[in-house]
Amino acid sequence: AQSVSQHNHHVILSEAASLELGCNYSYGGTVNLFWYVQYPGQHLQLLLKYFSGDPLVKGIKGFEAEFIKSKFSFNLRKPSVQWSDTAEYFCAVNGKNTDKLIFGTGTRLQVFP
Amino acid sequence: DTEVTQTPKHLVMGMTNKKSLKCEQHMGHRAMYWYKQKAKKPPELMFVYSYEKLSINESVPSRFSPECPNSSLLNLHLHALQPEDSALYLCASSLDGSHSYEQYFGPGTRLTVT
Repeated sequence: AQSVSQHNHHVILSEAASLELGCNYSYGGTVNLFWYVQYPGQHLQLLLKYFSGDPLVKGIKGFEAEFIKSKFSFNLRKPSVQWSDTAEYFCAVNGKNTDKLIFGTGTRLQVFP
Repeated sequence: DTEVTQTPKHLVMGMTNKKSLKCEQHMGHRAMYWYKQKAKKPPELMFVYSYEKLSINESVPSRFSPECPNSSLLNLHLHALQPEDSALYLCASSLDGSHSYEQYFGPGTRLTVT
C-alpha cells in the first residue's frame, strides 16, 4: 500500500537550533516528493518539491530536503530555525502521472525564542 | 496570481440543510481537488477534477456532491451531513492533472455540522 511516514510527531526547538524532520515513503514506482507547511491559522503552502535531477533541493525560507532513493526518504532540514518556523509540516508523495497526493501524518514544530 | 480562494470561510449547518462550498482559481490550472482535513490530521483526498471531468472519487458518501461548472470553479454541494463531517474542507488546483505538478491550496472552509 502507498503510504508516507513522519516519525517525529512533535518537535520542540530553541531558536538557532538545527532542524531535521524525517519522511519515509512506500510507493511502487517513480515518485514526486513534496514538503508543505501549515502556519497557525493559514493555508497549506509548498516549501519545496522534488521531481527529478539533483536529489538535494532547496526551498523557501532556508529549507532544504534530500531525496535518498535507496532509503525511500525525503528528510527536511534547516540549519538554524526561527520562532516564525513554528508550524505543522507535512511530507507528501504522488506517483508520476497521477493526481493522488498522499500526505504523511504531519510534524508539529514549536520553536521557542 | 497564485491564489486559490474559498468561500465561505466558516459554515455552520444542521443535518437537514443543503449548502455549497465554492472554490475559485485564476491560474489557468486544469486540475482541481477537494480535500477533507480533521483537526491535527493530514488532508485526505475526496475528489479530483481534470479538465472539468471527475477523474477520482475516493469513495466519498453521496451526501457530498462535487461540481465543476468551468475550469476556474469548483463547488462542493452538501446535503444531510452528519456531525462527524465537521472538518476543514480544502480546495487545491494544479496545472495539469495528467502530469505531476505541485498543488496550490486554498485557505479552506471550516464546516461545523450541528
